[in-house]
Formats: sequence, C-alpha cells, structure tokens
Amino acid sequence: DTAVSQTPKYLVTQMGNDKSIKCEQNLGHDTMYWYKQDSKKFLKIMFSYNNKELIINETVPNRFSPKSPDKAHLNLHINSLELGDSAVYFCASSQARADGGYTFGSGTRLTVV
Amino acid sequence: QQQVKQSPQSLIVQKGGISIINCAYENTAFDYFPWYQQFPGKGPALLIAIRPDVSEKKEGRFTISFNKSAKQFSLHIMDSQPGDSATYFCAASGNYGQNFVFGPGTRLSVLP
Repeated sequence: DTAVSQTPKYLVTQMGNDKSIKCEQNLGHDTMYWYKQDSKKFLKIMFSYNNKELIINETVPNRFSPKSPDKAHLNLHINSLELGDSAVYFCASSQARADGGYTFGSGTRLTVV
Repeated sequence: QQQVKQSPQSLIVQKGGISIINCAYENTAFDYFPWYQQFPGKGPALLIAIRPDVSEKKEGRFTISFNKSAKQFSLHIMDSQPGDSATYFCAASGNYGQNFVFGPGTRLSVLP
C-alpha cells in the first residue's frame, strides 16, 4: 500500500527520557513534515524537510530534532521529554508543484508521565 | 498574514441537512486550498481541494465555494450523514503543494 507510515502508534514514557518516532513514505514525495496536534485539535507545523532544505518552526524547542536518513524517511527525536510534550504527532508528505496536498500518517499519541 | 481563520469551531446538524464551514485568509499568494477530514484516532485525509481560478468545485456531496475577492472559501456538505461526523480543517498553500497553513478545525456532529 502506498502510504505514510509512522511508528509507534502509542508511546508512554517518563519525564526526562529521550524518544524517537519514525516516519516513512513510499509515495515518492519530495517533502516531509512533522505536525503536533494538541488536545484542541490544532495542527501546528514543527518541521518541513526536503532534500535541499530544513525549515524549523522557531517556536519548537531545540529538544526536538528531525533526522532524515534518506528522502523517504523523516524521524523525530525528542530529548528530555516534558509533560507539555504530550500530544499526537503526525508525519506528512507532499509533492512540490503538484496537486493533492498532504498525505498524513495515522499519528503517534505521545503521553509523558 | 500566514493565518487561516475557520468558523464555526463546532457544528451540529441533523441528518439530511447542509453543513457549512467557512474559512478566510489574508495572504494573496496562497494558490491552493484543500479541505481535510479527520476521524478520531486517524490522521487528516484530503477531502477536496480548489485552486483560485475557479469559484466552485463539487465532488459528490462535498462542494467548495471560493470567493477570491473576499479571500474566503467554504465547504458545503449536502445531505449530511452521521458518518460525516469528524473534524474538518481548511488549509492554504502558496508554495504549490507545500508548507500548508491550517485552520483551527471545525468539529462536525451529524445527529441521526
């Protein structure tokens, strides 16, 4: 199936831990994103990345870092987790100069305790 | 200028009724306007999209109306069904398919 897949689906961890969320797309898209969705459902861009440029939302703490081993993967690393990091994180991809918008993954629900 | 405003925040409609969600933007460089539908526990999924060179686009029960001069666009769901109950997001992009700006979402409930 062509899709954006992210793992894990659920992640429960203690404050202060370091964790990673993986994302892979097999759509051949050239741009990938990470979004944070809070309890009010608001979608906040965290990063966008293609093979040329990483754009970081300046409001994102530097504890969050994207890592892209190749064009089809964009992983999210989070250091020193805090309670306020609890949210649903979505990976998405899109193709520049093409209709179709984003294809989202199914989300990772992160709970920091 | 990068904001997309969306209203209402929540909407309750009877089965068979028309659901209308409105969005407004400021950035005239935006040139692609999709709508996303999100069910609980799922990622948003593209529902329908429009470019500013047309004033309306219809796909089944879903219609986007676009008013370029007013910088507004809206989603109409005809004959709303309980299965349409979801959160709907409007979005806009000026990068031809990249770096979308999302509205805050509308939670639609269709009563049986």
